[in-house]
Amino acid sequence: DTEVTQTPKHLVMGMTNKKSLKCEQHMGHRAMYWYKQKAKKPPELMFVYSYEKLSINESVPSRFSPECPNSSLLNLHLHALQPEDSALYLCASSQEASLETEAFFGQGTRLTVV
Amino acid sequence: GEDVEQSLFLSVREGDSSVINCTYTDSSSTYLYWYKQEPGAGLQLLTYIFSNMDMKQDQRLTVLLNKKDKHLSLRIADTQTGDSAIYFCAERDNAGNMLTFGGGTRLMVKP
Repeated sequence: DTEVTQTPKHLVMGMTNKKSLKCEQHMGHRAMYWYKQKAKKPPELMFVYSYEKLSINESVPSRFSPECPNSSLLNLHLHALQPEDSALYLCASSQEASLETEAFFGQGTRLTVV
Repeated sequence: GEDVEQSLFLSVREGDSSVINCTYTDSSSTYLYWYKQEPGAGLQLLTYIFSNMDMKQDQRLTVLLNKKDKHLSLRIADTQTGDSAIYFCAERDNAGNMLTFGGGTRLMVKP
């Protein structure tokens, strides 16, 4: 199993809503990542979890709140988002957050904030 | 900081070879990657190359790395319409935590 599974595939939410994006992998990877990708742009790193601990937060606004309940799961909690937060949110995982590894990406959640 | 650049667009005919180019600035990059992204989908890792290699071949894909010029290329032999996608090159930073992506090259394959 070399899959990173993200749910939901599509999400439309209002600016006052609270929602969560979910990511799951069963490859035994110990590093997991959230990326944000706007249309026609490369992905931008948001957060890195290594061994279930947040190791990198790329100055992401607090309306995005990551959570890593266990080594297979990564959530992104969303609250009070803005329309400009509409994007494709990609989850990735790699064996370790180190040079010797490759990252596998999920299919993404396409988020629209209305 | 690191910078990774790619040309925006490439158009080829079905059956021809495609060559997608990438330049990077971080001389300490250890791994360089090629990802494929089809419309509305996530990124699919195609291949990667370690910086002490010059070339890596995997079926229809050939990766060439010129470390002196900091130039990476991806050659797709016998390009098919299903290869139409955006191709991103990426490098991993010193600490190994971040992938820095190029802007992506949109490959269009004409029948």
